[in-house]
Amino acid sequence: SAVISQKPSRDICQRGTSLTIQCQVDSQVTMMFWYRQQPGQSLTLIATANQGSEATYESGFVIDKFPISRPNLTFSTLTVSNMSPEDSSIYLCSVSSGSGAYNEQFFGPGTRLTVL
Amino acid sequence: DAKTTQPNSMESNEEEPVHLPCNHSTISGTDYIHWYRQLPSQGPEYVIHGLTSNVNNRMASLAIAEDRKSSTLILHRATLRDAAVYYCILVSGNQFYFGTGTSLTVIP
Repeated sequence: SAVISQKPSRDICQRGTSLTIQCQVDSQVTMMFWYRQQPGQSLTLIATANQGSEATYESGFVIDKFPISRPNLTFSTLTVSNMSPEDSSIYLCSVSSGSGAYNEQFFGPGTRLTVL
Repeated sequence: DAKTTQPNSMESNEEEPVHLPCNHSTISGTDYIHWYRQLPSQGPEYVIHGLTSNVNNRMASLAIAEDRKSSTLILHRATLRDAAVYYCILVSGNQFYFGTGTSLTVIP
């Protein structure tokens, strides 16, 4: 298993500003993922972040809006840029226990973002 | 990404078994069936997964139809702590594409 922490746990931001969310894992992992969960909704995959390569973004998400860093095997950041109220969501990171479809994912507790 | 269909909500009495259904008629031969649950104000947590055969673990059982077009998550004795949103997810690569899930209410 993997233990994941996220910082900050919550924040309230003004529109037009940017927020960087940190994700720390207690073990080295190759694959990390970032999700968004809008109020009352399910999770939507934003991007896959593998160490040593550019993040791969899902349809509807772009690097200019959600730049991701993955400097090593235990850490990643997601920045929400030029925020608007529509970006108010919970942002979660996860890691995979391996590279196959049979591997489980471990999720962080999430970062609750409110944009005014 | 293959789609799953789940009821929006279900209720169960405490200490009774719960059967949570999931339809996935477009499943491919390499898709694994994963179940996760999300308790209030927490990230999702792994429950169980399988490919073709039924699976049991300490949390639940997973019954997979012979044609693999549906599956059922079985909680043998529901407790109040099992109240959560349960997600059935088809996984072929490493990416998880969540559906809408089933919100389970456990009645004391």
